[in-house]
Amino acid sequence: GAGVSQSPSNKVTEKGKDVELRCDPISGHTALYWYRQSLGQGLEFLIYFQGNSAPDKSGLPSDRFSAERTGGSVSTLTIQRTQQEDSAVYLCASSLDSAAYEQYFGPGTRLTVT
Amino acid sequence: RKEVEQDPGPFNVPEGATVAFNCTYSNSASQSFFWYRQDCRKEPKLLMSVYSSGNEDGRFTAQLNRASQYISLLIRDSKLSDSATYLCVSEHTPLVFGKGTRLSVIA
Repeated sequence: GAGVSQSPSNKVTEKGKDVELRCDPISGHTALYWYRQSLGQGLEFLIYFQGNSAPDKSGLPSDRFSAERTGGSVSTLTIQRTQQEDSAVYLCASSLDSAAYEQYFGPGTRLTVT
Repeated sequence: RKEVEQDPGPFNVPEGATVAFNCTYSNSASQSFFWYRQDCRKEPKLLMSVYSSGNEDGRFTAQLNRASQYISLLIRDSKLSDSATYLCVSEHTPLVFGKGTRLSVIA
């Protein structure tokens, strides 16, 4: 079946612009996660959604970052007033629920802020 | 957020060698761990789960040592295709990922 998809695959933006990154999770997966991975670094947790519960935003690095998940499916990560340090690969993952430890990752969006 | 620590490597080994790397964890209450594999410029994928009894899958063996709070991954008869970064993961909601250990298998 279809896996997790993300768009765009690459995004180049100028410093100060806003960007939106999209994630389509696997159908039926109620848990959705956003991570950030800088070059040569590990995964940095950003935010996670579980069903209709309030999202866990504890990993968001600043108030320039926000995310929403509409209808329990598609999620959008928004970065306002982008900075060069925001350049990274943004990975989305989904799992059946928060108790299911196998997360299926999308291919990521490579964000470059110039 | 609870941490897991890994030796970043790289581990450079010849084909056919046996290689092992460890991951230490700080939360003694953690029950389950996982190894994910991440190929260069690709997304992570689950390799195997590690429970108290350990786990073996073909050339791969994962063990959990609760007393010393570490998990290990052993790869026997290394293949070129095993070259990747191996991420140690501790069960939490959400999962806690280590920074990864890079393995290069050389012909």
